[in-house]
Amino acid sequence: EVQLVESGGGLVKPGGSLRLSCAASGFTFSSYTMNWVRQAPGKGLEWVSSIHPSPRYIYYADSVRGRFTISRDNAQNSLFLQMNSLRAEDTAVYYCARQDGDFDYWGQGTLVTVSS
Amino acid sequence: DIQMTQSPSTLSASVGDRVTITCRASQSVSNWLAWYQQKPGTAPKLLIYEASTLESGVPSRFSGSGSGTEFTLTINSLQPDDFAIYFCQQYSAISRTFGQGTKVEIK
Repeated sequence: EVQLVESGGGLVKPGGSLRLSCAASGFTFSSYTMNWVRQAPGKGLEWVSSIHPSPRYIYYADSVRGRFTISRDNAQNSLFLQMNSLRAEDTAVYYCARQDGDFDYWGQGTLVTVSS
Repeated sequence: DIQMTQSPSTLSASVGDRVTITCRASQSVSNWLAWYQQKPGTAPKLLIYEASTLESGVPSRFSGSGSGTEFTLTINSLQPDDFAIYFCQQYSAISRTFGQGTKVEIK
């Protein structure tokens, strides 16, 4: 069974940093592009970043480029999102999602709150 | 980025109704279009991919159609479990943009 489990969310002050993790199981992690998608409270879905199986190809949304860094450890079946210079507008539930063209599996999400 | 626009934003319907949600892309995405269902407090769930292919395990009352820039999601005979928010997503471009969502609520 495919499972994606995010962790690392919490309350952080504006300008602060946070590192999210996503533990994957039930599939060959190293074969799939992985993504982070976020959802602000009461709002829609926003794609944040994606990373190719061999991390040669990495992409970011304009809203996070230069502040967020996506990475992965295929040996540990893990996906990461390092978030720096956080802003109030980064407050959201962050989901990791497996990409098979579409996003066929999603984690349960981890809440990041940026507030003083 | 490709912009995805859904209509309506909210749809009030009764159990047994047939409902249709529209998703329009700002440029052609061919058939690289997915539909997701999201219930409160849970992650989105893939319903349809490649515009019209039903994901395994999804009830056959759900169907999708369209190509290019205009797409529809139809739910035949709405069931109590179907009251949720529905999102479309294009995956033609690297930046995989979503529609703003359509809330299907009980009339």
